[in-house]
Amino acid sequence: QKEVEQDPGPLSVPEGAIVSLNCTYSNSAFQYFMWYRQYSRKGPELLMYTYSSGNKEDGRFTAQVDKSSKYISLFIRDSQPSDSATYLCAMSAMNSGGSNYKLTFGKGTLLTVNP
Amino acid sequence: NAGVTQTPKFRVLKTGQSMTLLCAQDMNHEYMYWYRQDPGMGLRLIHYSVGEGTTAKGEVPDGYNVSRLKKQNFLLGLESAAPSQTSVYFCASRQYSSTDTQYFGPGTRLTVL
Repeated sequence: QKEVEQDPGPLSVPEGAIVSLNCTYSNSAFQYFMWYRQYSRKGPELLMYTYSSGNKEDGRFTAQVDKSSKYISLFIRDSQPSDSATYLCAMSAMNSGGSNYKLTFGKGTLLTVNP
Repeated sequence: NAGVTQTPKFRVLKTGQSMTLLCAQDMNHEYMYWYRQDPGMGLRLIHYSVGEGTTAKGEVPDGYNVSRLKKQNFLLGLESAAPSQTSVYFCASRQYSSTDTQYFGPGTRLTVL
């Protein structure tokens, strides 16, 4: 079983739709959870970051973490064509040295929002 | 503040040729990383560094070498390029703080013929 599983899609939605993107993980040591957005032919950019269970909201974006189920989600409300990109989940654990310097990425979900 | 920059942006090599990819960051970050991204494989860690003068192997280190002689620079070398090394290479950096995350460069698109 891979440490992080993410449905690659592709996912195609009409403008204004609510989008739900998900990742599951198997390593219970993961404590930090991130969502990156990657536009075509660009580097990933950090979108959301959380280190606890529950919801975190930033504008149209909500990140949700359920550690008991080892499941994280990213919701996009009122989706826009400019949201069309690949979304990567990433997570890390604190190692014995007190650092969490390595990230484990999902493979990414390709999202297209159609006008 | 340019963030993370990568040189070159594109490169075509013949099998057996060598090259060096340069990553530079101006954020005074301690940690730096090299990833490769291939269709269907996601981001895979090649090598990383937790400080100037230190390097460590990641998930897919074979065929690559790295050096971190200066804190702001992280070099990725291919001594004898192979077609399997055709990929998009991303550099990233992060601060030491446990709550910080990685910031990525724009990528280098490498084709090995």
